[in-house]
Amino acid sequence: DTGVSQNPRHKITKRGQNVTFRCDPISEHNRLYWYRQTLGQGPEFLTYFQNEAQLEKSRLLSDRFSAERPKGSFSTLEIQRTEQGDSAMYLCASSIGTGRNTEAFFGQGTRLTVV
Amino acid sequence: GESVGLHLPTLSVQEGDNSIINCAYSNSASDYFIWYKQESGKGPQFIIDIRSNMDKRQGQRVTVLLNKTVKHLSLQIAATQPGDSAVYFCAENQAGTALIFGKGTTLSVSS
Repeated sequence: DTGVSQNPRHKITKRGQNVTFRCDPISEHNRLYWYRQTLGQGPEFLTYFQNEAQLEKSRLLSDRFSAERPKGSFSTLEIQRTEQGDSAMYLCASSIGTGRNTEAFFGQGTRLTVV
Repeated sequence: GESVGLHLPTLSVQEGDNSIINCAYSNSASDYFIWYKQESGKGPQFIIDIRSNMDKRQGQRVTVLLNKTVKHLSLQIAATQPGDSAVYFCAENQAGTALIFGKGTTLSVSS
């Protein structure tokens, strides 16, 4: 257990529904990342926060996706009008961010299945 | 865009052998590299990292080598055990940016 907690672990939803995932990072970590991983591939970067500020977003993050980190602690990732192509593992990671990067610790992920 | 890739998708070794997993990166501005291990159904697990001002770093049974001249990274696992069977990813970034992952190498260890 890395200390990064993600909920739920699994989510099955019908196409067109909205889903929201939650990530609780390691408490002293100010950076939080969201990644998506499909079978056989490496994690693909979606977005990251430093404290409550969203500093970078991948072009993979379509307008159906939105992420928030309102108080600089936990974060949520919402997918609106889900599509079958959204089926993947959604991973959250956190790290201590200063001028230099440090190791990012990942949670166990939320597996989304869109039917 | 620039990305990190791995040379071989799979590697099979016998228990007790040493394993070497390779990774080539393309972004010469990257200054921080991490190796992760991922078991089925779990998130990536940090193994070892290295900064660009170093060319070698050792951990417990693992060694990471960085060759900036040819932009190559490798992970050496000594005395490989069945519990080392997993997918291994290298990841890279520059200060202030997110980690970028390659496709991964599946390590299979047979007894």
